[in-house]
Amino acid sequence: DGGITQSPKYLFRKEGQNVTLSCEQNLNHDAMYWYRQDPGQGLRLIYYSHIVNDFQKGDIAEGYSVSREKKESFPLTVTSAQKNPTAFYLCASSIEGRDGETQYFGPGTRLLVL
Amino acid sequence: GQQVMQIPQYQHVQEGEDFTTYCNSSTTLSNIQWYKQRPGGHPVFLIQLVKSGEVKKQKRLTFQFGEAKKNSSLHITATQTTDVGTYFCAGKSGYSTLTFGKGTMLLVSP
Repeated sequence: DGGITQSPKYLFRKEGQNVTLSCEQNLNHDAMYWYRQDPGQGLRLIYYSHIVNDFQKGDIAEGYSVSREKKESFPLTVTSAQKNPTAFYLCASSIEGRDGETQYFGPGTRLLVL
Repeated sequence: GQQVMQIPQYQHVQEGEDFTTYCNSSTTLSNIQWYKQRPGGHPVFLIQLVKSGEVKKQKRLTFQFGEAKKNSSLHITATQTTDVGTYFCAGKSGYSTLTFGKGTMLLVSP
């Protein structure tokens, strides 16, 4: 929300293809996250990064890969190994405040596998 | 691992009625946050609660954090059609990442 951009808004993929989802933030936040949202499933964490050149697997990392070469950017690649990639993908960034962390979400990318 | 359960999954109310969603964690939380996602949109941060027994209000919305810091609630008084959306709680314990509940979808009929 405000300062986080994701592209594209909609993405169509053929089975067997890798696709990369973009996430950029200009909020100077150290931490960035990727979530997957399916109907009735809430938000599930795919990968996260607390600092440049470092990232960690979340709860559902299989079939996905990320990189964090710049503070502002955290692209997500959905590989052909991901068996059910159709979903709404949300990127977030966060800053640690006095009382804890607040996450700010981008507008999301809807991925549809054809 | 940490689990955050949220109920109900779905609620349909008439405009003017009250609404409450409840959040329960399997572990003691350091803080809990609430987010709202409008249909077709993305989650937007509403509020964070940190202290045991804390109560915060935002106009018609009242947020509570339980004494044991394992549960929370969001209450909306006199719902309006603009309240439509899915409300998520998200909790954090220690150095863990934020764990989101599955959300409560609110539909308000005029």
